[in-house]
Amino acid sequence: EPEVTQTPSHQVTQMGQEVILRCVPISNHLYFYWYRQILGQKVEFLVSFYNNEISEKSEIFDDQFSVERPDGSNFTLKIRSTKLEDSAMYFCASSRPDRGSIMGQYFGPGTRLTVT
Amino acid sequence: AQTVTQSQPEMSVQEAETVTLSCTYDTSESDYYLFWYKQPPSRQMILVIRQEAYKQQNATENRFSVNFQKAAKSFSLKISDSQLGDAAMYFCACNNAGNMLTFGGGTRLMVKP
Repeated sequence: EPEVTQTPSHQVTQMGQEVILRCVPISNHLYFYWYRQILGQKVEFLVSFYNNEISEKSEIFDDQFSVERPDGSNFTLKIRSTKLEDSAMYFCASSRPDRGSIMGQYFGPGTRLTVT
Repeated sequence: AQTVTQSQPEMSVQEAETVTLSCTYDTSESDYYLFWYKQPPSRQMILVIRQEAYKQQNATENRFSVNFQKAAKSFSLKISDSQLGDAAMYFCACNNAGNMLTFGGGTRLMVKP
C-alpha cells in the first residue's frame, strides 16, 4: 500500500539556521499538508497546499515558514531561521484528488526537529 | 474555530475485551467530518474510521465502530475484541470540509495480554 514518506527522520540544527524538511506524498494525491506536534501537546495544522499554491494556513505559519513542491514528487517545508520553539515533530500528509481532505488525510512518519 | 477534546489520556483493556475511547468536539459548521487516527509507537498516524456529520448511521470498520451523537457533539470509538496490535495512541480529529484537521490531545491505549 502506498505511503507518505518523510526525510530525515531526525534533524538537529542550531538556532538561526535554515532547515528543509522533505516529504514524498502518495503519488496520485493532489492535496498536501504540514502539521507539527510539540512534545506533550496536540497535533497542530500548519498549512495546506493545492494546485501549486497555499490553500490554507494557520497563525503558526508565519513568514519564517514556506512550502514548495519543487518537482512532481517532493513537497518541502522550509523554516528560514529556526527558533528553540520550533522544536517539534513535523508531519506531512496528503489526500486524494476526489473530495480532498474530506476522505481523510494520509500521514507520514514525521521528522523530529531539534533546535539547539 | 473548532476544538476537539479527548478526556482520557490513558486507557487499558484486556485482550479480547471491548474498550471505548471518548471524544467531544465543538464546531460552528453544519457540514463537517470526524476521524479517528491510530499512531503506533514510532510509526505514522493511520486513519482508522471516518464519519460524515450529515449521516445518522454510525460508521463501522471491522472491529472498530463509532458512537456519533451529533446533538451532544460526541464521537466515541469502540474497539471490539481488542488485540495486542491495537496498542497505540488514538487521536480524534474534526474537519469542516476545508483543509485543516483539528486534533484532540490523544488517548494512549494499552492492551494487556
